[in-house]
Order: sequence, then C-alpha cells, then structure tokens
Amino acid sequence: GQQVMQIPQYQHVQEGEDFTTYCNSSTTLSNIQWYKQRPGGHPVFLIQLVKSGEVKKQKRLTFQFGEAKKNSSLHITATQTTDVGTYFCAGGTQGGSEKLVFGKGTKLTVNP
Amino acid sequence: DSGVTQTPKHLITATGQRVTLRCSPRSGDLSVYWYQQSLDQGLQFLIQYYNGEERAKGNILERFSAQQFPDLHSELNLSSLELGDSALYFCASSVDPRWNTGELFFGEGSRLTVL
Repeated sequence: GQQVMQIPQYQHVQEGEDFTTYCNSSTTLSNIQWYKQRPGGHPVFLIQLVKSGEVKKQKRLTFQFGEAKKNSSLHITATQTTDVGTYFCAGGTQGGSEKLVFGKGTKLTVNP
Repeated sequence: DSGVTQTPKHLITATGQRVTLRCSPRSGDLSVYWYQQSLDQGLQFLIQYYNGEERAKGNILERFSAQQFPDLHSELNLSSLELGDSALYFCASSVDPRWNTGELFFGEGSRLTVL
C-alpha cells in the first residue's frame, strides 16, 4: 500500500546546530503535512504544503515540497532545546480512497 | 489544548478483555479519525468517521470496531485484547472529511496497557 518513508529515524544535535528530516513517497501526493509531537504529548500540526516546489518558512523552520510532489523536507536552523520532539510528515494520497499516510517520524534530541 | 477530548487517559487491563475508548471532537468538527501509536512507531491509521458514517478504513483489526454517534462523539472498541495491543490510541478531528484540505487536531491520547 501507500508508504511514506521518513529519514533519519533519530537525530541527535548540539544546540545551535541545524537539523533536517526528509520524507519520500513512491507515488505523487496531493499534499504534505508536518506535525510535531513533544515527548509525552500528542501530534500538533505545523504546516501543510500543497503546490509543487512550494517552500514555506516559520521562524527557524523551513518546509519544502518537491517539484514532483513525492518528497518533502523540514529544516530547522540553529536548533534550540525547545525543538526536542518527534517530527512526522504525513502525505495525502491521490485518487480512489483518500488517506493521510504518516511517516514513522524523526526523533530529535538537542544537547544543551 | 486542541479541543479534542479523549477518555480514559490511561487504561490497564488483562489479555482477553474488552475496552472502550471515547473521543469527543472539537466543536463543529464532523470528522473523527482513530490512530494507533506503538512504542517508537509512527501513527497507524485505523478508521475514519464523518457525520456518523464510516468514511475510510486503515489497518484496523477485526477485533476492533468503532462508531460515531449522533452527537458526533466516537468510541473505539477493542476486544479479545492481546499484549501487542498495548499502545497509545489517538483520536483526531477535522471539519472537512477530505484528507487534503487541512490539519488534523489530535487529542491527548488514551494509553492502553494489556498485561
């Protein structure tokens, strides 16, 4: 079935370093959403990208949607301890039975 | 606070038992989704309801069932529980039933432990 692969599974960084997580789909997506789950918390919506090649920024976070709408990335500049958590991408499938398929997430830890 | 309420927050039970998890969506949201999150796993989609009707089905076991009531709250029933059913169960809601139109609002989850 539809799969969304997300890498890396874990990432440890020093505070101030940059961080990137990547999301890839074998099929074209209608949209990509990103969620953040803090330790012990629930997923919280960050952003949705719909257009091919779209780039959106939220302060230190930059989100990209690939030209072919099959991949996406989230880049955090100068990480802070508040960035700790698991970042999930979720791809919207096209046609037929629509679903939002979540990647397994990238768990980010930040050493102060 | 997402506005989505889930009860109970924690539940411990034995193998073979049956439990019911409850979810109240955000005010105005007609669509409810159930997800299962096991340790270090992603979010596995189980089932979606929209305005009382089942809309989409994921990898939901036959031992599991769900429904959405006229007041839009939803219940997920898990029966003949096995150790592997231990997980965090999230409910999410949205206004629109279509997946590609906006965010999902997640509740805080119900942590189920099967001993």
